[in-house]
Amino acid sequence: DGGITQSPKYLFRKEGQNVTLSCEQNLNHDAMYWYRQDPGQGLRLIYYSQIVNDFQKGDIAEGYSVSREKKESFPLTVTSAQKNPTAFYLCASRKGHAVEGEQYFGPGTRLTVT
Amino acid sequence: GQQLNQSPQSMFIQEGEDVSMNCTSSSIFNTWLWYKQEPGEGPVLLIALYKAGELTSNGRLTAQFGITRKDSFLNISASIPSDVGIYFCAGRSGSARQLTFGSGTQLTVLP
Repeated sequence: DGGITQSPKYLFRKEGQNVTLSCEQNLNHDAMYWYRQDPGQGLRLIYYSQIVNDFQKGDIAEGYSVSREKKESFPLTVTSAQKNPTAFYLCASRKGHAVEGEQYFGPGTRLTVT
Repeated sequence: GQQLNQSPQSMFIQEGEDVSMNCTSSSIFNTWLWYKQEPGEGPVLLIALYKAGELTSNGRLTAQFGITRKDSFLNISASIPSDVGIYFCAGRSGSARQLTFGSGTQLTVLP
């Protein structure tokens, strides 16, 4: 089945450690996105990538880094510089750049940093 | 940046009742989307709207793209327990490649 997978579902880390969240899609989508969700708030865009080896900062990129070495993979690293890393992280992908389809989301990873 | 105001923030309704929620924007959007998110899961796309005035249904759900292009509405008829979740609106303007999301409407359906 085609879809977006995020692993792990739950992740626990100590403060000061970097952590990488995985996002893989087999939908042959060009664009991929990372969002952060906090309780009672909408989704906020961290980074997005329209094509392989290219990505742009979203609204809250500070303390995060990404790579896009393969079309199907868009891992997100939460660095120790991120002041408030505990949140629910959502990855999404989209077929094209214009109106060719919309964003579809993965199941999310809940990160807890103590 | 652009902002979407989504209301109400939460709703408690009896099973069988109809539900309405809306989103308004300070700027014009060319695309309006409605997603549903269940606890601990990613949002699922319900309805996509691309033209001002467009009215689109998906089962018991009906969404409309406002004439002014600054608002959108979602109605759910004859609610059932599985309608529980958070409903998000999202909009895209012009050639923007990213979406702006509302803060969500938490729907609770009481038996």
